[in-house]
Amino acid sequence: AQTVTQSQPEMSVQEAETVTLSCTYDTSENNYYLFWYKQPPSRQMILVIRQEAYKQQNATENRFSVNFQKAAKSFSLKISDSQLGDTAMYFCAFMKHAGGAQKLVFGQGTRLTINP
Amino acid sequence: DAGVTQSPTHLIKTRGQQVTLRCSPISGHKSVSWYQQVLGQGPQFIFQYYEKEERGRGNFPDRFSARQFPNYSSELNVNALLLGDSALYLCASSLGPAANYGYTFGSGTRLTVV
Repeated sequence: AQTVTQSQPEMSVQEAETVTLSCTYDTSENNYYLFWYKQPPSRQMILVIRQEAYKQQNATENRFSVNFQKAAKSFSLKISDSQLGDTAMYFCAFMKHAGGAQKLVFGQGTRLTINP
Repeated sequence: DAGVTQSPTHLIKTRGQQVTLRCSPISGHKSVSWYQQVLGQGPQFIFQYYEKEERGRGNFPDRFSARQFPNYSSELNVNALLLGDSALYLCASSLGPAANYGYTFGSGTRLTVV
């Protein structure tokens, strides 16, 4: 069974600092996709960044980057120059093929607080 | 362009009642998925629909059902509500069933069962 584990329930850093959120996953598939989603108090899940497993290069989106270690099944998110607006729940997710469907399997989330 | 819209935003129901939640995908998106997010947890997959057909179902009882209309909007129905059905219900849309670029989520419907 595919599972996604986020071992840090909560994290807190000062504005402008760099923070890294951890995620590990378990799968027997070779080609797959990984995502980080942000969920602010508005409740909407917002896609932060995605990674294709067959690409060795780590994905980067402005201040957000990932450290993808396929052999270790690790997919951490680094936020550089953190901003107050980064305060939110962050979910790591794995795209799973289930019959004719594709579904996201989410971790439990990490609550990130950026302090002024 | 409007994003994924869900209605209502909040509702309160009594145990045993039935509820219908609605979702309109982004224009041009033909696939809609439903997720349940219990407080303090990550979302759990309920259904995926594409071109009005069910493509997949998560580990939820038969009390949960859904459908997709010709305009690609979707409804999620839950019968015989239980206290444990209290959750945020999220709808997500994508162009097709293979959402390798990720889904676009709505802001959800907060259902409280009392």
